[in-house]
Amino acid sequence: EAQVTQNPRYLITVTGKKLTVTCSQNMNHEYMSWYRQDPGLGLRQIYYSMNVEVTDKGDVPEGYKVSRKEKRNFPLILESPSPNQTSLYFCASNSLNADEQYFGPGTRLTVT
Amino acid sequence: SQQGEEDPQALSIQEGENATMNCSYKTSINNLQWYRQNSGRGLVHLILIRSNEREKHSGRLRVTLDTSKKSSSLLITASRAADTASYFCATHANNAGNNRKLIWGLGTSLAVNP
Repeated sequence: EAQVTQNPRYLITVTGKKLTVTCSQNMNHEYMSWYRQDPGLGLRQIYYSMNVEVTDKGDVPEGYKVSRKEKRNFPLILESPSPNQTSLYFCASNSLNADEQYFGPGTRLTVT
Repeated sequence: SQQGEEDPQALSIQEGENATMNCSYKTSINNLQWYRQNSGRGLVHLILIRSNEREKHSGRLRVTLDTSKKSSSLLITASRAADTASYFCATHANNAGNNRKLIWGLGTSLAVNP
C-alpha cells in the first residue's frame, strides 16, 4: 500500500530536549516536505527536499533541521525544542511528475 | 504567506443536502487542489483542477475554477455523515520554481448531520 508514515504519532517533551520525528514514504517520490499546522494559521511549510542530499528552507524553518540521506526518509529534527513549536506536524511527498501530495498521519507534539 | 481563504469557515447541513465551499487565492497558479482532513488526521487529496480548466468532476465532487476572479468552489452532492471533515484548498503557484510547496487556506469545517 502506498503510504507516508510518521513516528511518533504523539510526543510530549520538555524544553531543550532534542527530538527527531521520522518520516518515510514507499512510493519512490523525489519530493518530500514538512508542514506544521496551527489553529488560525493553517499549514505552513518548514523544509522541503527535491531529492537525496537536496534540502531547502520553507516558510518557517527556524528551530528545525532536516536531512535526506535516503530517498525514502526525511526526518525532522528539533535540536532544542521550545513551547512555540507545540503543533501538529505533517510530512508529505509527491512525485516530480505529479502535483498531488501524499500526507502522513501527523505527529502531535507538545513542548512544555 | 498563506494565500488561500475558504468560505464559509464552518458549515452544518443535513445528510442528503449539497455542500458548497469556496476558496479565493491571490497569485497566479498552475493548479488548485482540494484536500480533506478528518479531525487531527492527515490530509487526503480529493481533486485537482488546472489553471486552464473551468470545471471538473469526481464522483460526488464538482470543482469549478475562475481564474479571472481567483476563486474556486467545491460542491459535494448528496452529502453523507462520513463527509464530516475539514476541507482545504491549496494552490501551486506559478512562481514556486522547483519547490512543489502548496499554499493552503484555513479550511472549511463541514458537519453533516444524520
